[in-house]
Amino acid sequence: EVHLVESGGGFVQPGGSLRLSCAASGFTFSTYWMNWVRQAPGKGLEWVATIDSDGSEKRYVDSVKGRFTISRDNAKNALYLQMNGLGDEDTAVYFCAREEWFREVDWGQGSLVTVSS
Amino acid sequence: QSALTQPPSASGSPGQSVTISCAGTSSDVGGYNYVSWYQQHPGKAPKLMIYEVSKRPSGVPDRFSGSKSGNTASLTVSGLQAEDEADYYCSSRAGSTNIVFGTGTKVTVL
Repeated sequence: EVHLVESGGGFVQPGGSLRLSCAASGFTFSTYWMNWVRQAPGKGLEWVATIDSDGSEKRYVDSVKGRFTISRDNAKNALYLQMNGLGDEDTAVYFCAREEWFREVDWGQGSLVTVSS
Repeated sequence: QSALTQPPSASGSPGQSVTISCAGTSSDVGGYNYVSWYQQHPGKAPKLMIYEVSKRPSGVPDRFSGSKSGNTASLTVSGLQAEDEADYYCSSRAGSTNIVFGTGTKVTVL
C-alpha cells in the first residue's frame, strides 16, 4: 500500500523559510515523478512543483519560481520542498503526490503552512 | 497559466445524474488527452476518480464517467449517492507548466 506522509509545516513570519518533507513507502520511489500541490484555506487545488524520477528535471508554477525548490533523495525515499521568501499568499495545505502521466495517483494527508506575523 | 473553469456548484437528488464541465483552452484540455478528475471530501486529500479523459482507476464505481469535446471536459456522476457529496476538481496537462487544476465544483446531493 502506498503511503505518503508530509511533515515540516507550521507557522512562519512573512519573508521566512520552511522546508517540507514527504516520506514515501509502498512503491519504488525512484521510478516516479513527484509533485507538490497546495490548497489555500477554502480554496481550490494549485499545482506547485514537479520533479522527475532522478531529480534532473524540475518545474514550478510561476508564482513560486525563484523562491521554492523541489528536490528528492531516492536513497531515503524522500521528497522535499524548500520554501523561501514566504508571503501571505503561500498559506495553504501542501500535499505531496505521486504522478503517473500527468495524473496524481496517490496523495499524502497534507501539511499546513501558515504565513503570518 | 490560468485555472480551468468549472461551475461553482451542482446538485441532484439521490439516483439522479449530475454533469460537471471543465473548460480550458487548446493549450491544455483541448491539446492533450490527459484530463483527470478528483473527488475531495472536507478535510481529506483528493482522490483520483478519472484519468486520461475517461479511464477509471481500480475501485472507482462505474457510476463515474468522463468525456471531452474540444476544449471542454466533463464528469458525469450517475445514480447519485449520499457519499458522492464532495468537491470535484478537474486537471489537465498544460504544456510548459505541467499541470493545471480546475476551479472546483461542490456537488450537493439533495
